[in-house]
Amino acid sequence: DSGVTQTPKHLITATGQRVTLRCSPRSGDLSVYWYQQSLDQGLQFLIQYYNGEERAKGNILERFSAQQFPDLHSELNLSSLELGDSALYFCASSVGAGANTGELFFGEGSRLTVL
Amino acid sequence: QQQVKQSPQSLIVQKGGISIINCAYENTAFDYFPWYQQFPGKGPALLIAIRPDVSEKKEGRFTISFNKSAKQFSLHIMDSQPGDSATYFCAAIRGSTLGRLYFGRGTQLTVWP
Repeated sequence: DSGVTQTPKHLITATGQRVTLRCSPRSGDLSVYWYQQSLDQGLQFLIQYYNGEERAKGNILERFSAQQFPDLHSELNLSSLELGDSALYFCASSVGAGANTGELFFGEGSRLTVL
Repeated sequence: QQQVKQSPQSLIVQKGGISIINCAYENTAFDYFPWYQQFPGKGPALLIAIRPDVSEKKEGRFTISFNKSAKQFSLHIMDSQPGDSATYFCAAIRGSTLGRLYFGRGTQLTVWP
């Protein structure tokens, strides 16, 4: 158990809808990262927050947004969903602002299916 | 554009054999190279990592070999066990981009008993 909690584990929705994925980082970790895992793109970095502020941005679509709250949990909002958004979304956390030691702690993911 | 290229996509090894997974990169700004292990239904977990000033790092049955001039690195799993069956990802980090990991596409390893 990594200590990172993600909800929901599974989510099925229709095209055009909006969903929110939630992540609670490990106790004491200030950074939260979101990654998307799909068959065609592999594991892709979406965005990072550190202590409530956006720190780095990757291949995140404009239809997607995220935030980190004062209690350090994070939410990833996906709107105007398309079939291609179906994927496994991982949240990860680390202690500091950077993961230059390479160690991120990943949750078990939220599997999104868009029908 | 895949910044870290990984091969093979899948690998089947007999118990007790050696599993070898290879990765290559182009960006010389990468300064840390972790390997992650992922079991079905779980998130990736850090297995072992290396910096480019070291040519080899060993932790138990797992060894990373690093060739800086060739911009290649590989994971060797000695005495492979059925419990090693998982998907393995190599990754790379640029210090300036902090938490952004660039992952390879993954290798699905199956170790037959």
